[in-house]
Amino acid sequence: GNSVTQMEGPVTLSEEAFLTINCTYTATGYPSLFWYVQYPGEGLQLLLKATKADDKGSNKGFEATYRKETTSFHLEKGSVQVSDSAVYFCALSALSGGSNYKLTFGKGTLLTVNP
Amino acid sequence: GAGVSQSPRYKVAKRGQDVALRCDPISGHVSLFWYQQALGQGPEFLTYFQNEAQLDKSGLPSDRFFAERPEGSVSTLKIQRTQQEDSAVYLCASSLGGKETQYFGPGTRLLVL
Repeated sequence: GNSVTQMEGPVTLSEEAFLTINCTYTATGYPSLFWYVQYPGEGLQLLLKATKADDKGSNKGFEATYRKETTSFHLEKGSVQVSDSAVYFCALSALSGGSNYKLTFGKGTLLTVNP
Repeated sequence: GAGVSQSPRYKVAKRGQDVALRCDPISGHVSLFWYQQALGQGPEFLTYFQNEAQLDKSGLPSDRFFAERPEGSVSTLKIQRTQQEDSAVYLCASSLGGKETQYFGPGTRLLVL
């Protein structure tokens, strides 16, 4: 079956530090890949996505590149801010019978950015 | 321009009680998903609707869990005879269908005592 493995946290960084959160996946077919973010007290929000190999998703200074050869979708940001403190989830979507594109999530990585 | 809404936001139930969780998807969204998120874990798929048809319920953990979407819009997830292991956040998501992005509601946090 499909699965997502992401770097376990928690991750603690100082403001303006470089961020990498690793994510690898196992899937049949050609999945789409996502990063979702969950800010304290809020629901899941889509951060970025990529739908095919070598695509780069980007948003709010975050980037991730769909690497089919290494089955990876690592999240990066060059300079984190305190407001980036949140839980980050890597996820994939692949057709699972009929029209069901259910999401399979990793366990999440808690990021704390200190001033 | 409302997003996905869920109610109640918090629910405390005594073991053995029945609960009903409601999801209002984004208007016009064909696909609706329910996920369960245990503490410290990522969300896990429960069930999927395309309009009013429940096309996949493979993630429902037991026959105590039941979901419906009778008119292809609002959906209700019902849990009968709740157990402590049912304590989790229940997330609803909707999309236009197919590969389109899923948009999540704020979730219902269920605590079974």
